[in-house]
Amino acid sequence: GAGVSQSPSNKVTEKGKDVELRCDPISGHTALYWYRQRLGQGLEFLIYFQGNSAPDKSGLPSDRFSAERTGESVSTLTIQRTQQEDSAVYLCASSFRLAGGSAGELFFGEGSRLTVL
Amino acid sequence: DAKTTQPTSMDCAEGRAANLPCNHSTISGNEYVYWYRQIHSQGPQYIIHGLKNNETNEMASLIITEDRKSSTLILPHATLRDTAVYYCIVIQYNAGNMLTFGGGTRLMVKP
Repeated sequence: GAGVSQSPSNKVTEKGKDVELRCDPISGHTALYWYRQRLGQGLEFLIYFQGNSAPDKSGLPSDRFSAERTGESVSTLTIQRTQQEDSAVYLCASSFRLAGGSAGELFFGEGSRLTVL
Repeated sequence: DAKTTQPTSMDCAEGRAANLPCNHSTISGNEYVYWYRQIHSQGPQYIIHGLKNNETNEMASLIITEDRKSSTLILPHATLRDTAVYYCIVIQYNAGNMLTFGGGTRLMVKP
């Protein structure tokens, strides 16, 4: 499809295990974002990739969280040694950075729901 | 980025206009006003954005006051499918789209 694709849509894991969440942005979108949304709460920014610039990792809650992006394509969010408080929906978004750096709209995926038992 | 203040929740009758207010009294000259919404169990969806002029698209209208300290999102004929959380976000022109989502307004459209 033409939208942002995330996988898996649902993941149940045991405390202490590592998980990887994948995001396929819209083709041609140079910017990619990861957000987290706990049940009944707002979105928390995690990390932002823009082209070949160094990612903005200021939102990552701990060193158990990391993310990579290959060029301007797929991104993977990795959570090591998962804890119950990591349970949330992890949302990925991408955007096309307009000429002059102006803000463009973000297109969000449907999210990956992570449940840590 | 400037902070925004929105009512926690609002109700609207189906077929009527829904007017969602947002205060952003500390907005600076190069900051845009963006609106997104999140329907239950879905990712947020872009609605509209503006700098100082009023804007309209197929989804909604955005009215920004002359002093830019507040704005109103208008859904002209609300339907049940418009029930969602609506987020008002203020962001700098060149901030790389790093949106910060506050609590938003939970709009309930009732039959």
